[in-house]
Amino acid sequence: EDKVVQSPLSLVVHEGDTVTLNCSYEVTNFRSLLWYKQEKKAPTFLFMLTSSGIEKKSGRLSSILDKKELFSILNITATQTGDSAVYLCAVGVEYNFNKFYFGSGTKLNVKP
Amino acid sequence: KAGVTQTPRYLIKTRGQQVTLSCSPISGHRSVSWYQQTPGQGLQFLFEYFSETQRNKGNFPGRFSGRQFSNSRSEMNVSTLELGDSALYLCASSSQGSGSYNEQFFGPGTRLTVL
Repeated sequence: EDKVVQSPLSLVVHEGDTVTLNCSYEVTNFRSLLWYKQEKKAPTFLFMLTSSGIEKKSGRLSSILDKKELFSILNITATQTGDSAVYLCAVGVEYNFNKFYFGSGTKLNVKP
Repeated sequence: KAGVTQTPRYLIKTRGQQVTLSCSPISGHRSVSWYQQTPGQGLQFLFEYFSETQRNKGNFPGRFSGRQFSNSRSEMNVSTLELGDSALYLCASSSQGSGSYNEQFFGPGTRLTVL
């Protein structure tokens, strides 16, 4: 059965801390891995990763994929209270375009 | 470019009723996917439509159905509502290209409450 597992389920840090969120997967015919940020509304797209070892970066956020070990990490440096959200990982599969399996998310709470 | 829009944003129904939700994808996007999000189950895939055809389907009962129109707008219907159908229903749109890796963009969702 295809599955995506995120850890930790929740995390509390203070502003300025660096956090690492994990996403591991077991899916048939992996195609892509996507990260989303969800506040009290729809998920907002952050990154899409398709190749191992190539870091994607956007400001204080960065992510990398390891297709051999079947996981990805999302790093947030110098966290701010505005980073508080649920971070979702989704894996897209080949042969079924636009079918994604989602993890349960990591709830990040950044305290001032 | 306008984003994905969903209507209505909030809906309250009673058990046994049916409901129709609407989604308009980003202009030029031809693929629309529907998801159900609940605190206990997370985001679960319902189905995906492309060019008015359902291409993929998740593991939901037949009470959940959908369709897509020629302008790529999509509707989702849930018949004989149950309390457990209370959830945030999210629609996502993607462009389509042969062999491409498609990003998926979400709409704001419809919050359905079944009493």
